[in-house]
Amino acid sequence: DIVMTQSPDSLAVSLGERATINCKSSQSVLYSSNKKNYLAWYQQKPGQPPKLLIYWASTRESGVPDRFSGSGSGTDFTLTISSLQAEDVAVYYCQQYFITPYTFGQGTKLEIK
Amino acid sequence: QVQLQESGPGLVKPSQTLSLTCTVSGGSISSGSDYWSWIRQPAGKGLEWIGHIYTLGSTDYNPSLKSRVTIPVDTSKNQFSLRLSSVTAADTAMYYCARGRNTGYDGFDIWGQGTMVTVSS
Repeated sequence: DIVMTQSPDSLAVSLGERATINCKSSQSVLYSSNKKNYLAWYQQKPGQPPKLLIYWASTRESGVPDRFSGSGSGTDFTLTISSLQAEDVAVYYCQQYFITPYTFGQGTKLEIK
Repeated sequence: QVQLQESGPGLVKPSQTLSLTCTVSGGSISSGSDYWSWIRQPAGKGLEWIGHIYTLGSTDYNPSLKSRVTIPVDTSKNQFSLRLSSVTAADTAMYYCARGRNTGYDGFDIWGQGTMVTVSS
C-alpha cells in the first residue's frame, strides 16, 4: 500500500494569513505516460462528510474558492490556503488514487490562532 | 444533481454481517465511467477506503478487508451495497458511500452523509 503522511498534524493560523499543509507519499503517484499526479485533497468539517477540494494535485474542484491551491509532484505535495477564513477551520486530508487500495493521509487539523 | 444516501442498521452484533445500502439519485449508477466506493471512518480517526464497484459489476477491495467484503450492485434500484462479515468492535465506524468521478481519477466528488455503525453485543 502507498502510505500517505501529512504534516503537521495540527496547525493554527491567524485569519487572513497563509496556511500550508504538506503531504508525502511513500512512492511516486506521478503517472509517466500522462504526466499527471494521482492526488486529491479534501476538507472535512465536524459532522460532515469530506468535501473534494483539489484533484490531479492542482485542479480545483468546481465551486471551491480560489484561495485554495494545490501543488507538488511525484511524492511531495502541498495544499495552500492563501488567506485563511473562519469557515476554513476543518480537518484536511490528502488521498492517492494512483493504485488501489486508495489511501488517505492521517489528516491535518486547521484552527484559528 | 447526483446525491447519495446510506441506509442500514446502526447496531450489529459481533461475528455477524454488516449490511449497508447506498441509494443513488439524480443519475444512473450504470451509466458513464464513475466508480462507486465505500469508505469508513472510526470516530476521531482517519479515512479508510473499503472498496468500489464499477463497469458491469467489477470490484476492487482493500486487501486488509478483502476476505470479509463484498460490494453488490442492484442497477434496477440504482443502489449498491456493502456486506462486511464477521464484524468486531474494530469495525465500528461512520460508513460513507462516495462517487469516484471519471473512473475515480477526479477524486471522490460526491459523498453520502454517512451512517454510523456500532458493533456491540
